[in-house]
Amino acid sequence: KQEVTQIPAALSVPEGENLVLNCSFTDSAIYNLQWFRQDPGKGLTSLLLIQSSQREQTSGRLNASLDKSSGRSTLYIAASQPGDSATYLCAVRLYGQNFVFGPGTRLSVLP
Amino acid sequence: NAGVTQTPKFRVLKTGQSMTLLCAQDMNHEYMYWYRQDPGMGLRLIHYSVGEGTTAKGEVPDGYNVSRLKKQNFLLGLESAAPSQTSVYFCASSYSNTEAFFGQGTRLTVV
Repeated sequence: KQEVTQIPAALSVPEGENLVLNCSFTDSAIYNLQWFRQDPGKGLTSLLLIQSSQREQTSGRLNASLDKSSGRSTLYIAASQPGDSATYLCAVRLYGQNFVFGPGTRLSVLP
Repeated sequence: NAGVTQTPKFRVLKTGQSMTLLCAQDMNHEYMYWYRQDPGMGLRLIHYSVGEGTTAKGEVPDGYNVSRLKKQNFLLGLESAAPSQTSVYFCASSYSNTEAFFGQGTRLTVV
């Protein structure tokens, strides 16, 4: 059974810092991996999608990498801002087309 | 561009009552999903559909039924609501290998 973990569970940083969020999965047979952001009481917003054949994807200040063989993905956020405060979720898509989510990392960026 | 729309956004049910949650997407996606999100449990898959007229069970299907009579709609039914079904329910849709889009959620309380 695919299991997804995220470290750290919570993170608090001062504004302007660069930071890395980690996602690990137990079975490397994935279709793709997607990073989401969730604000309190809201739905999930897609940030980046990495196909299994790709190594990384970038969008603005966000960069996500994927090492399928080691079962790891990282989300790098450059020059963090208070507006980045949210819970970040990673999800792996299985070949059966289902998604398995990690528990999330709760990020607080302090002004 | 509406994306994924969930109806209703909030609902309070009494134990034993029934209700249907509606998910509608306007992106012509084949795949649709219903998840529930609970504190400390993360997002768990209830049921999913890979196309019109097809449905399949996810990780926590007991107590729920689904139907996908039209490609754009995916209905989640609770026949006899229980307090354990108090949760936030999310619908999502995607193509086979692209990013998933989520609705804003339905907050359900069963008393």
